[in-house]
Amino acid sequence: QQQVKQSPQSLIVQKGGISIINCAYENTAFDYFPWYQQFPGKGPALLIAIRPDVSEKKEGRFTISFNKSAKQFSLHIMDSQPGDSATYFCAATPNHAGGTSYGKLTFGQGTILTVHP
Amino acid sequence: DADVTQTPRNRITKTGKRIMLECSQTKGHDRMYWYRQDPGLGLRLIYYSFDVKDINKGEISDGYSVSRQAQAKFSLSLESAIPNQTALYFCATSDLNRGVYGYTFGSGTRLTVV
Repeated sequence: QQQVKQSPQSLIVQKGGISIINCAYENTAFDYFPWYQQFPGKGPALLIAIRPDVSEKKEGRFTISFNKSAKQFSLHIMDSQPGDSATYFCAATPNHAGGTSYGKLTFGQGTILTVHP
Repeated sequence: DADVTQTPRNRITKTGKRIMLECSQTKGHDRMYWYRQDPGLGLRLIYYSFDVKDINKGEISDGYSVSRQAQAKFSLSLESAIPNQTALYFCATSDLNRGVYGYTFGSGTRLTVV
């Protein structure tokens, strides 16, 4: 059973448009929510992450919106560029130092983003 | 040189064969992980190790085994490979003190079982 559900599976956006990827989680023990970007032939790389005590975090063109009551979070890519074309994964982890679950990431299914020039 | 190195990068093997995927790191991290990536399923945790003497099963450990030979080396074995183990495999390391910001993935091993 997928504990983190991600949608859409694929997304096509025109250059300059906004890309939006959504995730929902079930486990209330999750308390840290990173997003990863993966290019072909590479491993995932951390893009941006958020804690549930804030509703939004922005880094450049990338913004995470977080709705704790709905257990949902989303990634918005503003002014999408062809270089943003990649697979994006949301993830969740119980970020409690010292616990046995610490550091274990649970991933969503992934979204393949294509940005057309 | 990459911080997390996986070998081989690509491998084709036959059903029933034993195969080992290797991972080495220069990050100095205690924690190491093996994930499997399948289209539409994301990455799923196979095994993880918090130090050399600590090995733990992840959510999909059946059919796999691991060995933590040293702090820097963590190997994944398929004792008798089967076609549904065809996937992209990633090794990762993490730093206890940096949480998700200390997580580093290798470039992956693409395994095909025929």
